[in-house]
Amino acid sequence: SQQGEEDPQALSIQEGENATMNCSYKTSINNLQWYRQNSGRGLVHLILIRSNEREKHSGRLRVTLDTSKKSSSLLITASRAADTASYFCATDASEGGSEKLVFGKGTKLTVNP
Amino acid sequence: DVKVTQSSRYLVKRTGEKVFLECVQDMDHENMFWYRQDPGLGLRLIYFSYDVKMKEKGDIPEGYSVSREKKERFSLILESASTNQTSMYLCASRTGGPSYEQYFGPGTRLTVT
Repeated sequence: SQQGEEDPQALSIQEGENATMNCSYKTSINNLQWYRQNSGRGLVHLILIRSNEREKHSGRLRVTLDTSKKSSSLLITASRAADTASYFCATDASEGGSEKLVFGKGTKLTVNP
Repeated sequence: DVKVTQSSRYLVKRTGEKVFLECVQDMDHENMFWYRQDPGLGLRLIYFSYDVKMKEKGDIPEGYSVSREKKERFSLILESASTNQTSMYLCASRTGGPSYEQYFGPGTRLTVT
């Protein structure tokens, strides 16, 4: 079952602009993670935000988490052509001690030079 | 650096063949996962293992089996490959507990003809 759902499915912007992607989920979580996937490659972990955190920064990335709305957003500032990739959110259920992450279907970001 | 390696980047097999996909991680992680990724469907969990010789079904285990005889190695087996198993297969590993990132291999693109 898919817990995380990203929005939009695709996003095209110009270099230098900011890119915002959203993720919604359905059940209580311990944490939410964002991953990046370059075309035809494996996923790479970007950032993890815990359920008791509201905002987290890493370089040009800013992640917010609103547990009351069960949603998160990933902001990439001053985008570069190299940021072109698919971005996925992943959640783990806080109940049952699950070791599984559930991934959304991803947002495909294109940054035009 | 954590490394997750997969035995092949590209694989072409015939319908009915038995197929082995191998995954090896070098960080002594307890948990290992196999996903398949298809356009529009995101990542779907096939099986995961939280210890040697232990396994649990994911969301789409039908037509697959797994083997984990050693901690560092997790194999995905297609007993009798079918064309609907043509996909990108991604292996991942993670240390135990819900608040850790997953490390992914580069993926194996399997084509069944």
